[in-house]
Amino acid sequence: ETGVTQTPRHLVMGMTNKKSLKCEQHLGHNAMYWYKQSAKKPLELMFVYSLEERVENNSVPSRFSPECPNSSHLFLHLHTLQPEDSALYLCASSQRVLWAPSYNEQFFGPGTRLTVL
Amino acid sequence: DAKTTQPPSMDCAEGRAANLPCNHSTISGNEYVYWYRQIHSQGPQYIIHGLKNNETNEMASLIITEDRKSSTLILPHATLRDTAVYYCIVRVRAGGTSYGKLTFGQGTILTVHP
Repeated sequence: ETGVTQTPRHLVMGMTNKKSLKCEQHLGHNAMYWYKQSAKKPLELMFVYSLEERVENNSVPSRFSPECPNSSHLFLHLHTLQPEDSALYLCASSQRVLWAPSYNEQFFGPGTRLTVL
Repeated sequence: DAKTTQPPSMDCAEGRAANLPCNHSTISGNEYVYWYRQIHSQGPQYIIHGLKNNETNEMASLIITEDRKSSTLILPHATLRDTAVYYCIVRVRAGGTSYGKLTFGQGTILTVHP
C-alpha cells in the first residue's frame, strides 16, 4: 500500500462511452499526476496538478479531461476514446514544498487497466 | 533533463547481489539520479536517489562515479520479489515552484531466478 488508491482497477468501454477514473491519495500531498503506460512503451506523463491547479498538459488529446476538485482527489474523464487509448493509467502524488528544496518522491497508485473496444 | 542509458535486461541468482548500471554522461551539476522500479501490473515504486555521494537505504545502495556520468544500483541480496523493471532517471531536484518532473525510459528488466 502506497497511500494512493485508484478505482476502478479494470475498465472496459466502447468508443462512444463516457467514463471516469478516480484517484485518491491519503498522504497529505499537494501535487498529483496522471501517467499513461501503453504496452512496450515507457510511462508517459499526461497531466500534473499542483495545489489543485493544472501545471502541465503534455499534448494530451481533448478526449481526456482531468479534474482536481481538491488536493486529495484527481479524476480523469474519458469520452469517445479510441482503441489505441487502451493502456494502464497510473496516478501519482508528491509533496511540493514551497519554502525549501524537496526531493519530491512520487508515490504511485496501482493503476487502472483500460480497454477500449 | 539528462538522458539515461540502461541495459534492456539482466539476470541475477536469488541471494546474490544485483548490480544495475546506468549511464548519464550528459548529467548537469544540479541534477540528481533517481531509481524507481515497477513490479508487473503495479505502479512504480521509489527506491533511492543521490547527487554525488553514495547512498544507502533499507532497499538498496546507489554508487555514483566521481565524474557523475554513471551510477550503479545495488540490491545486496536479491529475492524473487525483486523481479521488476528498474528505471534510472536523472532530473533537477524539486523545489520552489518546481514539482520535479520524472521522465521514464525503457528501464532494465531484472529477473531474479532461484
